Amino acid sequence: DIVMTQSPDSLAVSLGERATINCKSSQSVLYSSNNKNYLAWYQQKPGQPPKLLIYWASTRESGVPDRFSGSGSGTDFTLTISSLQAEDVAVYYCQQHYSLPLTFGGGAKVEIK
Amino acid sequence: QLQLQQSGPGLVKPSQTLSLTCAISGDSVSSNSATWNWIRQSPSRGLEWLGRTYYRSKWYNDYAVSVKSRITINPDTSKNQFSLQLNSVTPEDTAVYYCARNSAEVSTMTDWGQGTLVTVSS
Repeated sequence: DIVMTQSPDSLAVSLGERATINCKSSQSVLYSSNNKNYLAWYQQKPGQPPKLLIYWASTRESGVPDRFSGSGSGTDFTLTISSLQAEDVAVYYCQQHYSLPLTFGGGAKVEIK
Repeated sequence: QLQLQQSGPGLVKPSQTLSLTCAISGDSVSSNSATWNWIRQSPSRGLEWLGRTYYRSKWYNDYAVSVKSRITINPDTSKNQFSLQLNSVTPEDTAVYYCARNSAEVSTMTDWGQGTLVTVSS
C-alpha cells in the first residue's frame, strides 16, 4: 500500500495570509505513460463529506477558487491557500489515486490565527 | 447534477452485518466511465477506502485487504444504486461510512454521499 504522510497536523494562519500543507507518498505516484501525478486534495468541513479541490496534483476542480493551488511531483506535494479566507477553515487531506488501495493522508487542520 | 443518497441503520450489534445503500441520481451505476466506492472515516483509522464496484462490459469488484473476507459491494441496476455489506462487525467498525463516485475522467472521487454514522454496539 502507498502510505501518505501529511505535515503539519495543524496550522493557524492569519486571514489573508498564505497556508501551506505538505504531503509525501511512500512511492512515486507519477504515471510515466501520461506524465500525470495521481494525487488529489480534499477539503472537509465538520459534518460534511470531503470535497474534491485538486486532482492530478495541480488541476483545480470546477468551481474551486483560484486561491487554492497544488504543486509537486513524484513523492512530494504541496497544497497552498494563497490568501486564507474564513470559509477555508477545514481539514485538508491528500489522497493518491495511482493504485489500489486508494489511500489518504492523516489530514491537516487549518485554523484562523 | 449527480446526487448520492445513503440509507441504512445507524446502529448494528457486534457479530451482525452492516448494510448500507447508496442511491444514484444523475448518473447510472452501469456507467462505463465511473466506479462506485465505499469509504469510511473514524478517529482511529482516518479515511479508509473499503472497495468499489464498476461495469466494463461485465461487473467487477475490488476490495481492501483489511476487510476483504467480510465485505460485499453489489450494484442494483433496477434501482440504480449500490450497496455495502460488512459481516461480523466489531466495535472497530464504528465509523462514518460514505459512498462516492470515482470519475474515470479525472480518476478520483468527485462526488460523495452525505455520510452515515454507524455505531457497532450491543
